[in-house]
Amino acid sequence: EAQVTQNPRYLITVTGKKLTVTCSQNMNHEYMSWYRQDPGLGLRQIYYSMNVEVTDKGDVPEGYKVSRKEKRNFPLILESPSPNQTSLYFCASSLISGVYNEQFFGPGTRLTVL
Amino acid sequence: SQQGEEDPQALSIQEGENATMNCSYKTSINNLQWYRQNSGRGLVHLILIRSNEREKHSGRLRVTLDTSKKSSSLLITASRAADTASYFCALKTSYDKVIFGPGTSLSVIP
Repeated sequence: EAQVTQNPRYLITVTGKKLTVTCSQNMNHEYMSWYRQDPGLGLRQIYYSMNVEVTDKGDVPEGYKVSRKEKRNFPLILESPSPNQTSLYFCASSLISGVYNEQFFGPGTRLTVL
Repeated sequence: SQQGEEDPQALSIQEGENATMNCSYKTSINNLQWYRQNSGRGLVHLILIRSNEREKHSGRLRVTLDTSKKSSSLLITASRAADTASYFCALKTSYDKVIFGPGTSLSVIP
């Protein structure tokens, strides 16, 4: 089944404790992206990747890191999480970054930073 | 802000009625997409309209795009209770960033 998976789905952590949220897609998509969703703000793009070893900042990259060593995986790293990073996070992928870029979304990761 | 802005923020209608949501934006776009999100879940792609298209249909969905006015509308005809969800427009800019609006929350009352 074609899908985007994220792990963990729920995470409660404390300020400053490094964490990684994994994202994997099995559709051989080139484009992958991370978003955070906060009430009243919709989805905001954190980072995106056009292909392996190619990553770019979205609108809200501060406090996050990503890597794209393999085509299928695009982990989101919070080196020193803070309470303002408490949010619902979505990973998404699409075939190419051109005109035809319907994005497929993962189920989301709800992160709470205490 | 380049962000898409949906209008209205919330919409409540009776089952069988049509629902119209609008999206306005400020930046140049390659295409515009509409997504649906059921509460707390991942987004599901509904329809994509390219910048050189004016109208597109998919089942009960009709999307229009007016690049001169920088606006798009999503029409859901003959709404059903299962259409209750949040709807987002998403803009793909020329820099390959994707910008989402804050969404319209649609409630369809049986």
